[in-house]
Amino acid sequence: AQSVTQLDSHVSVSEGTPVLLRCNYSSSYSPSLFWYVQHPNKGLQLLLKYTSAATLVKGINGFEAEFKKSETSFHLTKPSAHMSDAAEYFCVVSGAIDMRFGAGTRLTVKP
Amino acid sequence: DSGVTQTPKHLITATGQRVTLRCSPRSGDLSVYWYQQSLDQGLQFLIQYYNGEERAKGNILERFSAQQFPDLHSELNLSSLELGDSALYFCASSVGGFVDNEQFFGPGTRLTVL
Repeated sequence: AQSVTQLDSHVSVSEGTPVLLRCNYSSSYSPSLFWYVQHPNKGLQLLLKYTSAATLVKGINGFEAEFKKSETSFHLTKPSAHMSDAAEYFCVVSGAIDMRFGAGTRLTVKP
Repeated sequence: DSGVTQTPKHLITATGQRVTLRCSPRSGDLSVYWYQQSLDQGLQFLIQYYNGEERAKGNILERFSAQQFPDLHSELNLSSLELGDSALYFCASSVGGFVDNEQFFGPGTRLTVL
């Protein structure tokens, strides 16, 4: 069985400051982990994916995530937020035939 | 633009009715996935087809069914609709046959059941 918990439903940052979106997962085997972003009235777009290679994964638009097995975490970070980063972010845990989405974290970026 | 197309964009219907949502995957992708996004239940994986065959099943209700045709487009059929079926339905596609492949999402079909 797999599950994923996004620890914050809403995160607000100022433009130019760091972003941290937290995700914890549970899986009975080595999962694949993803972060997707959803801008208003749009479909989801893949930011990055972890599949048991390097524990630090670099994605698009300056985002990265670190897989920490001991903490069962896969937090998403970005050094400097941009106004265009305002969106909903989903952490996803997946096996070969099953995937579970977190509840989402809404990121607000203040000017 | 992901290359995945979904029709219609919006659908308004009444309880008890049946609707069909259509998805065309990216050129070359063999897998199609269906998802439901609602305020109550968030994003849920419904079902996956790979090259015409069902590959994985998530939280899909018995009132819902899907199929993938020889030209690889897919349809999601929702019947005996209830108010709670109102949601955004996404389709995604990928090259490979496993759900942990990178998926490309369409813009969604917004279903409103009155």
